[in-house]
Amino acid sequence: IQLTQSPSSLSASVGDRVTITCRASQGITYFLAWYQQKPGKAPKLLISGASTLQSGVPSRFSGSGSGTDFTLTISSLQPDDFAAYYCQQLDTFPLTFGGGTKVEI
Amino acid sequence: EVHLLESGGGLVQPGGSLRLSCAASGFTFNRYAMTWVRQAPGKGLEWVSGVSGDGRSTWYADSVKGRFTISRDSFRNTLYLQMNTLRADDTAVYYCAKDLSAGGASQNWGQGTLVTVSS
Repeated sequence: IQLTQSPSSLSASVGDRVTITCRASQGITYFLAWYQQKPGKAPKLLISGASTLQSGVPSRFSGSGSGTDFTLTISSLQPDDFAAYYCQQLDTFPLTFGGGTKVEI
Repeated sequence: EVHLLESGGGLVQPGGSLRLSCAASGFTFNRYAMTWVRQAPGKGLEWVSGVSGDGRSTWYADSVKGRFTISRDSFRNTLYLQMNTLRADDTAVYYCAKDLSAGGASQNWGQGTLVTVSS
């Protein structure tokens, strides 16, 4: 299953609302996760099950969607949020990641 | 607290072999599926392989199937990735991760170990 993320990069300012999309090549119901990765660091799980926020993740992050179209939204971008974001489908082995979205200042 | 520590990376020639280890602590190891994910320099994440908590089920990316073998030792609380017939495009940082469930999202990650395949 292929995942297409868009955009591949974006420039935004602190306080902006940011939306990243992830489209699957076939339906995956809600078996999708979102990760954040900062340079030189391991990824961090933000959201599982398309919309379930992980413990400790700020509520400005939210996920939505089902089937083939998914969205990660950051309601008010903070300085700590500048990073790369990846979606991952968990419906079918082999599991796959999207190509990533780099959020820059 | 969950702690995952990868080791075994390094420089290897094309066609060579390497075994990565991931020492786990802070949770009941045999209750959780585990995963290897890699990231080539400057590139995105690539899921490599996964194993169920009891070690009976394993899964692989097409790019490594037949060359890599995932395994786990519940006595040593250690995850392994045996990598054979290595190619230049296997060069990457390899992360191990603890999954929420078999085939589930990866909740906890190690710091990664770099594998470089070059002559």
